Amino acid sequence: EDQVTQSPEALRLQEGESSSLNCSYTVSGLRGLFWYRQDPGKGPEFLFTLYSAGEEKEKERLKATLTKKESFLHITAPKPEDSATYLCAVQETGGSYIPTFGRGTSLIVHP
Amino acid sequence: DTAVSQTPKYLVTQMGNDKSIKCEQNLGHDTMYWYKQDSKKFLKIMFSYNNKELIINETVPNRFSPKSPDKAHLNLHINSLELGDSAVYFCASSQRGTEHYGYTFGSGTRLTVV
Repeated sequence: EDQVTQSPEALRLQEGESSSLNCSYTVSGLRGLFWYRQDPGKGPEFLFTLYSAGEEKEKERLKATLTKKESFLHITAPKPEDSATYLCAVQETGGSYIPTFGRGTSLIVHP
Repeated sequence: DTAVSQTPKYLVTQMGNDKSIKCEQNLGHDTMYWYKQDSKKFLKIMFSYNNKELIINETVPNRFSPKSPDKAHLNLHINSLELGDSAVYFCASSQRGTEHYGYTFGSGTRLTVV
């Protein structure tokens, strides 16, 4: 069973159509949850770190939120340049500090 | 200035060959990593080095041997390449104690074994 599950696998939006991506996790203790953006042919690029339930972080049209079992990446009025794969990673307390990645959500925003 | 650079970007080779991928970071970070990303985009840790010392070695075949000559470099040598080794390999770096800033990844090396 995957510790980190992202949904949907793929999402197509029209420009301006807001939506949310989900990352659910099943670790006994959360040290940190990370969001990354990955463009085709590039490495993941760090976006946010969240640590505790109720925390929120924002960057331009993106807002990440965290509950005890999942995180959402809200995209408000997306533009075509927001098209990318969004990866979530979870760092567990007490073990290796290496985050475990989910399989990502591929987002395409049509003009 | 490229923060984490990998060479080569593409590598096509035959089964049974030996190949190396090089990685260098100019961020002054003390920890470097190798990740493998399969065709379904799943990013899995292979190795982690801190100040040239191996600290994480996931269940990777011993045909894969990382080498860190100094804390700015982490190379990956692969012996007897197999079809299943085809993937994109990413190098990344971070500074211990500041992982909340995330990892900095290179652009990847796409390895194709034929």
